[in-house]
Amino acid sequence: EVQLVESGGGLVQPGGSLRLSCAASGFTFSSFWMSWVRQAPGKGLAWVATIKQDGRDKYYVDSVKGRFTISRDNAKKSLYLQMNSLRAEDTAVYYCTRVDAGDYLWGSYRLPEYWGQGTLVTVSS
Amino acid sequence: EIVLTQSPGTLSLSPGERATLSCRASQSVSSSYLAWYQQKPGQAPRLLIYGASSRATGIPDRFSGSGSGTDFTLTIRRLEPEDFAVYYCHQYGNSPYTFGQGTKLEIK
Repeated sequence: EVQLVESGGGLVQPGGSLRLSCAASGFTFSSFWMSWVRQAPGKGLAWVATIKQDGRDKYYVDSVKGRFTISRDNAKKSLYLQMNSLRAEDTAVYYCTRVDAGDYLWGSYRLPEYWGQGTLVTVSS
Repeated sequence: EIVLTQSPGTLSLSPGERATLSCRASQSVSSSYLAWYQQKPGQAPRLLIYGASSRATGIPDRFSGSGSGTDFTLTIRRLEPEDFAVYYCHQYGNSPYTFGQGTKLEIK
C-alpha cells in the first residue's frame, strides 16, 4: 500500500524558514517523480513544486521560486521542501504526492496520483 | 498559465440524482491531460479520473469523465451519500500545473 506521511509543519513568523519532510513507503520511491501541492485554509488546491526521480529536474510555481527548494533522498525514501522567506500567503496545508509521469514527443505529463494527509504551515506573527 | 474555471460553484442534488460538473480551460489542454479529484472535509484529495475519461483504480463506474480541448465534464450517475464532497479539475500537461477552484456537491 502506498503511504506518504508529511511532517515538519507548524507556526512560523513571516520571513522565517521551515523544512517539510515526506516519508514514503509501499512503493519504489526512487522510480517516481514527486510533487508538493498546497491548500490555503478554505481554499482550493495549488501546485507548488515537482522533482524528478534522480533529483536533477525540478519545477516550481513562480510564487515560490527563489524561496522554496524541493529535494529528495532516495536512500531514505524521503521528499523535502525547504521553505525560506515565508509569507502569510504561504499559510496552507502542504501535501506530498507521488506523481505518475510520462515524456513523449508530443508532450509530457505529471499527474499527482497518491497523496499524503498533509501538514499545516501557518505563517503569522 | 492555463486557467481552469469550474461550474457551478455549488451543486445541490439528492441521492439517486445525476450530477454534471463542468471544467473549462482558458486554452487547449495538452493531450487531454485533465484529471478530476474528490475531496472530503479534513481529507486529502483522491484521484477519480485522469486523461479526461479514464477512471483511477478502485473508482466506481458511476463516475465518468468526458471532453477534450477546453471543455471537460465529470458526471456522477445515481449519487450515493458518500459522493457529496468538493470536486477539483486539474491540468497536468503544462507547467505551471493548475487546478480549478472547485465545485461543492451538497445534499439538497
